[in-house]
Amino acid sequence: QVQLQESGPGLVKPSETLSLTCTVSGGSISRSKYYWNWIRQSAGKGLEWIGRIYASGSTNFNPSLESRVTISVDTSKNQFSLKLNSVTAADTAVYFCAFGIDGFTPFDSWGQGTLVTVSS
Amino acid sequence: SYELTQPPSVSVSPGQTARITCSGDTLAKQYGFWYQQKPGQAPVVVIYKDTERPSGIPERFSGSSSGSTVTLTISAVQAEDEADYYCQSADSSGTYVFGLGTKVTVL
Repeated sequence: QVQLQESGPGLVKPSETLSLTCTVSGGSISRSKYYWNWIRQSAGKGLEWIGRIYASGSTNFNPSLESRVTISVDTSKNQFSLKLNSVTAADTAVYFCAFGIDGFTPFDSWGQGTLVTVSS
Repeated sequence: SYELTQPPSVSVSPGQTARITCSGDTLAKQYGFWYQQKPGQAPVVVIYKDTERPSGIPERFSGSSSGSTVTLTISAVQAEDEADYYCQSADSSGTYVFGLGTKVTVL
């Protein structure tokens, strides 16, 4: 059973870059038809999809965040990562990673989530 | 404006049926998905592709679709079903979108 775990700083200063990593266990990140998502949840905006990446490196992003987001994958470490630059207080949220399966469900299983607060 | 509209709350007595609707133009063309989220936990998919139930999800959870509305039905509600439920789909550009969630309270 594939499991995911987010990690990264819980506090980021305004205007800086938020960086998170999701470690995949119980299966290969290169598994066929799987893709790897970042989603966030804040009190003000509910659940918001940030973007996804395939093991090949192909990415898709939410247009509302695309200009500030980078998602990358490291198949040797079975990890994928999120970078969100120029953060403001509005980026304070619980950030989740989740995997999806082509033809089935976009968010089949999720990590437990990590709270990131943007504050000076 | 929000692309997927759900009622903010639904209250139901144990053993009764809870129905949660989710409406949005995109649902006429795209599948709907439902996630259950309990406090402090990550969401869990309970219905995918409008009507399919993942393995391990109780049979009392079912989904249906009609036009631009999808519905999650929880039959014979149990106390453990108290949670927030979110519908999700994709918009015309392929961006995944979520409803704002429905809090199910078991009386």
